[in-house]
Amino acid sequence: QQQVKQSPQSLIVQKGGISIINCAYENTAFDYFPWYQQFPGKGPALLIAIRPDVSEKKEGRFTISFNKSAKQFSLHIMDSQPGDSATYFCAASRFTGRRALTFGSGTRLQVQP
Amino acid sequence: DADVTQTPRNRITKTGKRIMLECSQTKGHDRMYWYRQDPGLGLRLIYYSFDVKDINKGEISDGYSVSRQAQAKFSLSLESAIPNQTALYFCATSDIRGASGETQYFGPGTRLLVL
Repeated sequence: QQQVKQSPQSLIVQKGGISIINCAYENTAFDYFPWYQQFPGKGPALLIAIRPDVSEKKEGRFTISFNKSAKQFSLHIMDSQPGDSATYFCAASRFTGRRALTFGSGTRLQVQP
Repeated sequence: DADVTQTPRNRITKTGKRIMLECSQTKGHDRMYWYRQDPGLGLRLIYYSFDVKDINKGEISDGYSVSRQAQAKFSLSLESAIPNQTALYFCATSDIRGASGETQYFGPGTRLLVL
């Protein structure tokens, strides 16, 4: 059972464009939603995270938008750069207690120069 | 992240062989995880450990076993390897202290091929 669904599977964006990756979750107990970035040959690394008490969180060119009623959240990369080319994973978990992250299936982003 | 190391980095084995993947961390974290990554399936949790005596099955634990030898070491074993266990395996650690939420730190991965 896939509790976090991620789309698209792959994405090609021109330099300077906006990259948008979407995720939907099923478990209403989830209250922590991080995004991880993975470069080829490396392990994933935390990029940005949000909790449902806010609808948006921005860090530099990266923004998470969160819609609690729709159980959806998305990553927006503004002014996309070739260095942003990587695989992006959304994830979800409970914020406290005994919990482990559930990851989405990943989106391979390619930013063309 | 050099604080989380995995050995070996690449391994080729044959069907039916028992193999062990090892993970060590110098971050002092209590929590450790094993994931496998397959194209189109993302990262799937195999086992996780909240401390040395607290080990839990993840989403896809069948065919795998783990050992938490110390706070810093968490090993994954494939008792009798099969070809569909061919994948990229990641170890991760986390520290849930603080109010900013859990951050998992991943090792560089072990690429396993089962023939």
